[in-house]
Amino acid sequence: DARVTQTPRHKVTEMGQEVTMRCQPILGHNTVFWYRQTMMQGLELLAYFRNRAPLDDSGMPKDRFSAEMPDATLATLKIQPSEPRDSAVYFCASGLVLGGARTEAFFGQGTRLTVV
Amino acid sequence: GENVEQHPSTLSVQEGDSAVIKCTYSDSASNYFPWYKQELGKRPQLIIDIRSNVGEKKDQRIAVTLNKTAKHFSLHITETQPEDSAVYFCAASPFTGGGNKLTFGTGTQLKVEL
Repeated sequence: DARVTQTPRHKVTEMGQEVTMRCQPILGHNTVFWYRQTMMQGLELLAYFRNRAPLDDSGMPKDRFSAEMPDATLATLKIQPSEPRDSAVYFCASGLVLGGARTEAFFGQGTRLTVV
Repeated sequence: GENVEQHPSTLSVQEGDSAVIKCTYSDSASNYFPWYKQELGKRPQLIIDIRSNVGEKKDQRIAVTLNKTAKHFSLHITETQPEDSAVYFCAASPFTGGGNKLTFGTGTQLKVEL
């Protein structure tokens, strides 16, 4: 049963600390999305990658957030330094785009981040 | 960039009634419109999608309609059941050579009352 795997599932950290969230996309998928979900903002796109190249990170506060794909099996989202307003659920999703065909975006279970 | 608006933000219906959720999009290049259902504490999951070359698609009790001219699409759920209670998100995505950015609406909290 192929699925997107995110770690950790929950993270509580103190303000100012670095936070790293990890995502393992479904094997063979070439598109990865990072979304942030809060009650007020719904599903907010932070960044997305195709074939490991960042295509759009305009939704991400670049002074503290960074997103990378070191290889095809790992995507990371880092926050440094973290702030209480970063508290949210962070979802990773992956999909496959090939020529004119595409699959749906499959979501991971999310990382619930609390910054105190 | 793409902007997706979704209405209503909350919707309460009686079991057995129909529910309709509406979305509008701004980018005429968008050609793929999925709908996701998110139950409390869980991940969003695709329930139905439609591409711009068709105007309507059905899957049992759910259907989606698309009006490309007006740039709006809607989700219809008939014979609602308590297990339909969840947050529903619409989304829009272009398919271009550069990628397939997926932009979501703000969600609709659907409550099906007994």
